[in-house]
Amino acid sequence: DAGITQSPRYKITETGRQVTLMCHQTWSHSYMFWYRQDLGHGLRLIYYSAAADITDKGEVPDGYVVSRSKTENFPLTLESATRSQTSVYFCASSVSTPQETQYFGPGTRLLVL
Amino acid sequence: AQSVSQHNHHVILSEAASLELGCNYSYGGTVNLFWYVQYPGQHLQLLLKYFSGDPLVKGIKGFEAEFIKSKFSFNLRKPSVQWSDTAEYFCAVIPTGGGNKLTFGTGTQLKVEL
Repeated sequence: DAGITQSPRYKITETGRQVTLMCHQTWSHSYMFWYRQDLGHGLRLIYYSAAADITDKGEVPDGYVVSRSKTENFPLTLESATRSQTSVYFCASSVSTPQETQYFGPGTRLLVL
Repeated sequence: AQSVSQHNHHVILSEAASLELGCNYSYGGTVNLFWYVQYPGQHLQLLLKYFSGDPLVKGIKGFEAEFIKSKFSFNLRKPSVQWSDTAEYFCAVIPTGGGNKLTFGTGTQLKVEL
């Protein structure tokens, strides 16, 4: 039972580069989420998706793009990375509504130089 | 919009001590409440949750939490902590009647000393 996997687990990039973080779930959960975790802020929602081809902004969407062509995948793209996007990124999923338990992936630690 | 406050940012306890971590939220309607734990270097795992019914909920590893609606609180407790409980603990809340944002508190870093 793989659950949610994220890749890469660690990434170093430079300011201005495009970076894509991958998220894959094996449960066929409808909802998927992207959060960033920063000291003093807890976790903040970047984007979420209710189903394939349905995505919506969360609390801090600026500078990020998402897509969901397949139920199991929910990639997050930083179009032009900035130092303020240095963070730990977590992908999560829930069965059919955001109000249910959300299950988290192992995270991607991103450093933007 | 809802918000969550975790008043204790860092807590240091000796093994076998009792634990209580505070969580207060602000929202006028009904909510679902969660406590998640993040062990060093690992992802968030669900400790326990409250959706409805008995306000005292029991979770994994001997943790429990009590929902007090009148105080908008959902404090986490454990009678006797172990060294392995060293982790960061997050309270989270989401309205039940719509809205898609699970709001997290800023977390409490717990260190249990031998």
